[in-house]
Amino acid sequence: NAGVTQTPKFQVLKTGQSMTLQCAQDMNHNSMYWYRQDPGMGLRLIYYSASEGTTDKGEVPNGYNVSRLNKREFSLRLESAAPSQTSVYFCASSEARRGSQPQHFGDGTRLSIL
Amino acid sequence: KQEVTQIPAALSVPEGENLVLNCSFTDSAIYNLQWFRQDPGKGLTSLLLIQSSQREQTSGRLNASLDKSSGRSTLYIAASQPGDSATYLCAVESYNNNDMRFGAGTRLTVKP
Repeated sequence: NAGVTQTPKFQVLKTGQSMTLQCAQDMNHNSMYWYRQDPGMGLRLIYYSASEGTTDKGEVPNGYNVSRLNKREFSLRLESAAPSQTSVYFCASSEARRGSQPQHFGDGTRLSIL
Repeated sequence: KQEVTQIPAALSVPEGENLVLNCSFTDSAIYNLQWFRQDPGKGLTSLLLIQSSQREQTSGRLNASLDKSSGRSTLYIAASQPGDSATYLCAVESYNNNDMRFGAGTRLTVKP
């Protein structure tokens, strides 16, 4: 049972480069999320998709775009990477937002911007 | 804006001790509160979810309580083991925020 799978696990970029982080879940969940985790700050929501076909901004959306490709997949794109985007990125999914079931997380993508 | 605080940031205890981790939040209009465990280099694993209408949840040696009126939750770990060493995070989904807000976590070390 894979749960939430993120690729790649590690990535180093130069300032100004672009890349897409991939996320897929096999739990038939409706809602998916992208977070970033920085030392001492907990996790902060970048974007979420409450259901297939919808996306909305979270707390820190600037510099990012997302695509809910289908029910399983939710990608995060950095169009022009900046050193401030160096972080660990987590994808998560849940049956629904604000529900009675918890969010399930992937193992993260460790991204360094030089 | 919901603010979630966890104190202490780090805690070290000998094996076998019972311990309590604390979480406080500023806005009591919440849907739920969740406790997660994070091992180094890994993602978060959900431990317990307490809905707004509930006062506590239990799973094995773990018990989480919720007091909305005071904006507090505690995670009680009984008979701690070295395998419990990890970072524990609490998170709150609120009526007045689009997102789930996380505390910065408590890093727990259980010494053999």
